Amino acid sequence: AQSVTQLGSHVSVSEGALVLLRCNYSSSVPPYLFWYVQYPNQGLQLLLKYTSAATLVKGINGFEAEFKKSETSFHLTKPSAHMSDAAEYFCAVSPNSGYSTLTFGKGTMLLVSP
Amino acid sequence: KAGVTQTPRYLIKTRGQQVTLSCSPISGHRSVSWYQQTPGQGLQFLFEYFSETQRNKGNFPGRFSGRQFSNSRSEMNVSTLELGDSALYLCASSQDRATYEQYFGPGTRLTVT
Repeated sequence: AQSVTQLGSHVSVSEGALVLLRCNYSSSVPPYLFWYVQYPNQGLQLLLKYTSAATLVKGINGFEAEFKKSETSFHLTKPSAHMSDAAEYFCAVSPNSGYSTLTFGKGTMLLVSP
Repeated sequence: KAGVTQTPRYLIKTRGQQVTLSCSPISGHRSVSWYQQTPGQGLQFLFEYFSETQRNKGNFPGRFSGRQFSNSRSEMNVSTLELGDSALYLCASSQDRATYEQYFGPGTRLTVT
């Protein structure tokens, strides 16, 4: 069975600082990996995805993530945080074949202070 | 292209009642998945439909059911509501296989009193 662990339920950064949100996965074979963002009272918006192409994936709003098979990690980064980045971020894993089922991590709330 | 739409956005029901939620996927998308989001359990997969057939099901009791119509629109039904069913129910659509990302709707907030 696949699983996802997100380290830190809350991460606080100052505006302009580096954002690093951690995600580790457990899977018998390399899966597909996704990062989603959720703003209050809204659904989930896809930030980026890894589907076995380039290991460094660039997404929307300046976010990127690097797939590291040896570390079973897919951490999300952004060089400079904006106030508008404050939201909850979810890492998710999907099997690389078969059905469209996402297994989500518990989420990390990103707090950005001025 | 219009996004995933869900109706209603908010719903208040009483224990023991049943409820039906609706989801219209992005045009051309044939797969619809449903997820339940609660503060305690996070995001949990309910079921996925493709071409009117349930392809996969999560670990939820039989009170939770769904269906998909020929136009790919989907409904989920919860019978005999319990307080613990209070949650945000999210619908997501994708083109077909797991290689394609899922696009989520805004969700239906269900409150059971």
